[in-house]
Amino acid sequence: DAGVTQSPTHLIKTRGQQVTLRCSPKSGHDTVSWYQQALGQGPQFIFQYYEEEERQRGNFPDRFSGHQFPNYSSELNVNALLLGDSALYLCASSLEGAGTEAFFGQGTRLTVV
Amino acid sequence: DQQVKQNSPSLSVQEGRISILNCDYTNSMFDYFLWYKKYPAEGPTFLISISSIKDKNEDGRFTVFLNKSAKHLSLHIVPSQPGDSAVYFCAARSWNQGGKLIFGQGTELSVKP
Repeated sequence: DAGVTQSPTHLIKTRGQQVTLRCSPKSGHDTVSWYQQALGQGPQFIFQYYEEEERQRGNFPDRFSGHQFPNYSSELNVNALLLGDSALYLCASSLEGAGTEAFFGQGTRLTVV
Repeated sequence: DQQVKQNSPSLSVQEGRISILNCDYTNSMFDYFLWYKKYPAEGPTFLISISSIKDKNEDGRFTVFLNKSAKHLSLHIVPSQPGDSAVYFCAARSWNQGGKLIFGQGTELSVKP
C-alpha cells in the first residue's frame, strides 16, 4: 500500500517564477492538505482540499493556489516566487471524518534563488 | 499568534531512561491532539493521538497525557532508544476547523547510548 507520494523531491527556482508541486494521497484517502515548513519551524497549514474544492485556507496569500483531481491527487501552485517561499512543502492525506490522523509525504524542498 | 507551543527546542536523554516532551496550547476549541516524529529528509510520521475527552492514551513505549485545565500535554517515551532520536511535533485540531492541524515548533530529541 503506497503512502503519500510527492514530486519532485527537490526544486530550485528563480524569484518571480511559478512552481507546481504534486501529491498523490494514501490509498483510500479523500482529503489532501498542504503545509509549508520553514527551517526550524513546525509545518504551517496552507489549505485543504476535499471533493475537488478548497475547504479551508490558512494565512497564505493568493499567490498560493491548489487543485484536487477526481482521483484525489492534488497540486500546489505558487506564483511570483519570493525568496521567503523557500521551504519544505508537505502534503498530508486523510479520510474525511473526525478522529483520523493525517499521513504525510516526504515533502518537496523548494529553494528560491 | 502561536496557538501550540513547544518551549524546549531540544532534549537529551540517556538510553533506557524516560523522555518527556511537553506541549502547551491556548485555544480551548482544540479537541484532538497528535504527536508526530520527523527524521531528516522525511515527512512527519504519526506517532500517537488523544481526544480531549480522555486524559491519557498509551501505545507501547509511548504515552500521551492531556491536562485540559492547564492546556498542556506531554509525550512520555519509556524506555528511550537511540532510534527515537528525531524531531517531535505536537499538533492540535479544532472541532470547527475540519482537518486543519496547528503544529508546535518541534523538539529535537537526542537519545544517547
